[in-house]
Amino acid sequence: GENVEQHPSTLSVQEGDSAVIKCTYSDSASNYFPWYKQELGKGPQLIIDIRSNVGEKKDQRIAVTLNKTAKHFSLHITETQPEDSAVYFCAANRGANSKLTFGKGITLSVRP
Amino acid sequence: GAGVSQTPSNKVTEKGKYVELRCDPISGHTALYWYRQSLGQGPEFLIYFQGTGAADDSGLPNDRFFAVRPEGSVSTLKIQRTERGDSAVYLCASSSSQGALGYTFGSGTRLTVV
Repeated sequence: GENVEQHPSTLSVQEGDSAVIKCTYSDSASNYFPWYKQELGKGPQLIIDIRSNVGEKKDQRIAVTLNKTAKHFSLHITETQPEDSAVYFCAANRGANSKLTFGKGITLSVRP
Repeated sequence: GAGVSQTPSNKVTEKGKYVELRCDPISGHTALYWYRQSLGQGPEFLIYFQGTGAADDSGLPNDRFFAVRPEGSVSTLKIQRTERGDSAVYLCASSSSQGALGYTFGSGTRLTVV
């Protein structure tokens, strides 16, 4: 089955700096890669996603890049703010209505 | 409702007892998923419903776990003979059918087995 790994497990950045979080996956059939943000006591919230026919997607301060050959994808957050502090999960699946396989998560801390 | 609602938000039960966890998906969402999240881990898939039927229950850890969705809306996750290892946050998510892959998660039920 699919195996998704995230590195590093924690990341601390200064407010205003950029943060990059990387994920690798094992199943070459995976074609959908979402990123979720989870705040304490809440469920994961989808922040951006990318499909395998696209190499990059941007949404304001957030972007995701995908390298299918290397089987890795990354979340890029620019101009970080304290409210970006949370746990971020990457995930992968084979498409509509199939289960997501999540990474273990990374705790991002943005220092004011 | 506006989002996915899960009740109760917290449940403490004694080892060996039976528990039911409820999920109300977003109105009109036909796909419903249950995940389990242990401390410091990502969510792990348990079961997926498309309408009333379980399309994939491969993530249920053993036969103590069972889930239903009799009318294609509300779902109940049932755990028999609870064990301390069942302690986790149980998350429910829903999505619209046919390719809308962005789940909306509820806030979860924190289950503690003592």
